[in-house]
Amino acid sequence: GENVEQHPSTLSVQEGDSAVIKCTYSDSASNYFPWYKQELGKGPQLIIDIRSNVGEKKDQRIAVTLNKTAKHFSLHITETQPEDSAVYFCAASKGAGFQKLVFGTGTRLLVSP
Amino acid sequence: ETGVTQSPTHLIKTRGQQVTLRCSSQSGHNTVSWYQQALGQGPQFIFQYYREEENGRGNFPPRFSGLQFPNYSSELNVNALELDDSALYLCASSLAQGLDGYTFGSGTRLTVV
Repeated sequence: GENVEQHPSTLSVQEGDSAVIKCTYSDSASNYFPWYKQELGKGPQLIIDIRSNVGEKKDQRIAVTLNKTAKHFSLHITETQPEDSAVYFCAASKGAGFQKLVFGTGTRLLVSP
Repeated sequence: ETGVTQSPTHLIKTRGQQVTLRCSSQSGHNTVSWYQQALGQGPQFIFQYYREEENGRGNFPPRFSGLQFPNYSSELNVNALELDDSALYLCASSLAQGLDGYTFGSGTRLTVV
């Protein structure tokens, strides 16, 4: 079955720096790659996603890139702010809607003022 | 537009007991998935319901079962609780084709003692 690896497990940056989180997946049939932000005591919140027919997607300070050949995708956060501090999860899925999300193990991002 | 709501928020049960967790999907969503998130881990897929039928299941034993109702709300039932069942249980809803991704609730924190 699908396996998703995520690195690093923890990431500390200064406010205003950029942060990059990387994930690799094993199933070449996967075609949907969302990123979730989870704050303490809350459920995961979708922040950005990308489908396999697109190589890059941006939304303000957040961007995701996908390399299908290498089977990896990355989350880029620019101009980090303390409120970006949270646990971030990548996930992969194949099919549309009916298929399960396979999550990475999470990255704890700490943005220091 | 309401999001995904789960109840209860916290629950303590004794080993061997049975528990029922509830989820109301986001307005317009007809697919509900359940995930188990152990402390410090990514969510693990339990099963998914679409039009009141289970249409996908992860690596969980039969004592984990569910229901989906005509209004698309759902229940997760766990029988013969074990200590390792202690976790955050997340419900996620989506459109059948996953066109807008998955929206997660805040979860139910289950503690088995």
